[in-house]
Amino acid sequence: GQQVMQIPQYQHVQEGEDFTTYCNSSTTLSNIQWYKQRPGGHPVFLIQLVKSGEVKKQKRLTFQFGEAKKNSSLHITATQTTDVGTYFCAGPTSGTYKYIFGTGTRLKVLA
Amino acid sequence: EAQVTQNPRYLITVTGKKLTVTCSQNMNHEYMSWYRQDPGLGLRQIYYSMNVEVTDKGDVPEGYKVSRKEKRNFPLILESPSPNQTSLYFCASREDRGGRYGANVLTFGAGSRLTVL
Repeated sequence: GQQVMQIPQYQHVQEGEDFTTYCNSSTTLSNIQWYKQRPGGHPVFLIQLVKSGEVKKQKRLTFQFGEAKKNSSLHITATQTTDVGTYFCAGPTSGTYKYIFGTGTRLKVLA
Repeated sequence: EAQVTQNPRYLITVTGKKLTVTCSQNMNHEYMSWYRQDPGLGLRQIYYSMNVEVTDKGDVPEGYKVSRKEKRNFPLILESPSPNQTSLYFCASREDRGGRYGANVLTFGAGSRLTVL
């Protein structure tokens, strides 16, 4: 079946280090979204990418959508303790309304 | 305040005892969906609904039922819960206007942690 894998599954970084999580889908996605879930919380929308090759930035966060619309990445520059949480990529598969979520990357930032 | 409300937030039950987790949204969204979250597996979609009386299966529908009789409500029903349905459940709603930026954003409820003994 359709799968979206994220790597790494876990990442511990020192505060100030950079962090990247990669998202790879077995099928083409209509668009891709990124969500952040704080410990004990619920997923909260960060951004949506629609076009192949699209790059968007939000302050220290850079998001990229692959040319084939099957992969994406999230890069955080100079992590802070407020970045702690699990980051999920997600998207509806082309031609359907089913959402596929990635397996998530849990980020811990050590002060 | 725009929100998705789930109840109960926590529930411990026993195998076979029917239960319903309610979900309500006040944003007039047409699309609603249910997910379960398990360690290492991320969020998996159980069911979704495009509008009133229109529902469809997600990736893991076995053991669950849903109904959409009103636009604002989308309850998740476990007719005969089993221990493998112990999980954290999230309901979400979405404004559905196609590909416009921001229009496909899922708004999640706070979650319902279910334990089936």
